[in-house]
Amino acid sequence: DTGVSQDPRHKITKRGQNVTFRCDPISEHNRLYWYRQTLGQGPEFLTYFQNEAQLEKSRLLSDRFSAERPKGSFSTLEIQRTEQGDSAMYLCASSIDRAGGYTFGSGTRLTVV
Amino acid sequence: GQQLNQSPQSMFIQEGEDVSMNCTSSSIFNTWLWYKQDPGEGPVLLIALYKAGELTSNGRLTAQFGITRKDSFLNISASIPSDVGIYFCAGHTKSGAGSYQLTFGKGTKLSVIP
Repeated sequence: DTGVSQDPRHKITKRGQNVTFRCDPISEHNRLYWYRQTLGQGPEFLTYFQNEAQLEKSRLLSDRFSAERPKGSFSTLEIQRTEQGDSAMYLCASSIDRAGGYTFGSGTRLTVV
Repeated sequence: GQQLNQSPQSMFIQEGEDVSMNCTSSSIFNTWLWYKQDPGEGPVLLIALYKAGELTSNGRLTAQFGITRKDSFLNISASIPSDVGIYFCAGHTKSGAGSYQLTFGKGTKLSVIP
């Protein structure tokens, strides 16, 4: 069990560019979540996958954001036409099929300049 | 929407002192969780509470799930320098889509003076 892995750890991009982040969950975990955390705030829910199906999306997830989880393993989060307001820590988490706390990755820190 | 009010926002304490922080909500949660986050890292789960009234310990940490299911507290006894970080409470309920979506508080920033 190597934990939840996220790549890259840091990303600096110019406004208007597209960025893609990757998350590798704990291997036996079928549930995968994306959260966004801005400075001084707690994480906020973005989207949820059960296996390969994206079952829930937050209103925070504008149409510039898209997430995938092909084959129910790793997941990607893409942001198109980035804006300065997208600057945040993007956290991925995974859990097995039961209630309880889930395991977060170390996050990807995005800075849009 | 659901909101969690966490207090205090920040604390400065002497090493060896006990710490108490709490979280209240306008909504009922089925589960309360406490996480710790170090700078540049993701949150790490400390304690999970599943039943109203439940009191759970994990080493020097003790947390309770309020009877009304709208509040929780976390105590840290005999604080040490590595307790420094931001502590988040979080509550979750199961949505219709089956996700156990978490709602987080804004965090309590703990500083420990050696």
